[in-house]
Amino acid sequence: QKEVEQNSGPLSVPEGAIASLNCTYSDRGSQSFFWYRQYSGKSPELIMFIYSNGDKEDGRFTAQLNKASQYVSLLIRDSQPSDSATYLCAVTDRDDKIIFGKGTRLHILP
Amino acid sequence: DTEVTQTPKHLVMGMTNKKSLKCEQHMGHRAMYWYKQKAKKPPELMFVYSYEKLSINESVPSRFSPECPNSSLLNLHLHALQPEDSALYLCASSHQSQRISYNEQFFGPGTRLTVL
Repeated sequence: QKEVEQNSGPLSVPEGAIASLNCTYSDRGSQSFFWYRQYSGKSPELIMFIYSNGDKEDGRFTAQLNKASQYVSLLIRDSQPSDSATYLCAVTDRDDKIIFGKGTRLHILP
Repeated sequence: DTEVTQTPKHLVMGMTNKKSLKCEQHMGHRAMYWYKQKAKKPPELMFVYSYEKLSINESVPSRFSPECPNSSLLNLHLHALQPEDSALYLCASSHQSQRISYNEQFFGPGTRLTVL
């Protein structure tokens, strides 16, 4: 059974601080790793995609991948109230099938 | 065009009705997906079409019937649904390539379905 695990939260972070979201996955054959942001009642929005070990930065967002530890994380710098949402970690397998974690609710405190 | 569009945005139907959900993309993606999402749960994969052929059916009941008329369009035909089928139905698309850098899935806005 392929699994993607996330802490459901809520994770409360003061405005301006760094929010750190974590995800682990069970299938060593996983190839691509995604972070989606989902506001209540809306569809998931892709914010980061990573497939190589190391860090990938895009604006205030940094994704970190460690395939040996089967771990992927998302850092949000200078957190804003608009970052308050559910963050879904997702992983694709060799068949291009995407498996979602249950999501972490992030709450940025003004 | 980097959008996946879905119609209708909202749909209310009775258990005896027949309706269809529509999805369209013009990004040249060759893989298209239907997901079902209940409140406070992650999306659940229902179907995957690859090059207009059904490649994955996640044991979805036959009251849901997908159709891919061409590489840009994906439909989901609904018949004799149950109240527990009420959910947000999401369409997504992605490149279908050996290069894993092309595997991002982009979601449409979804159709909020209520079955009475």
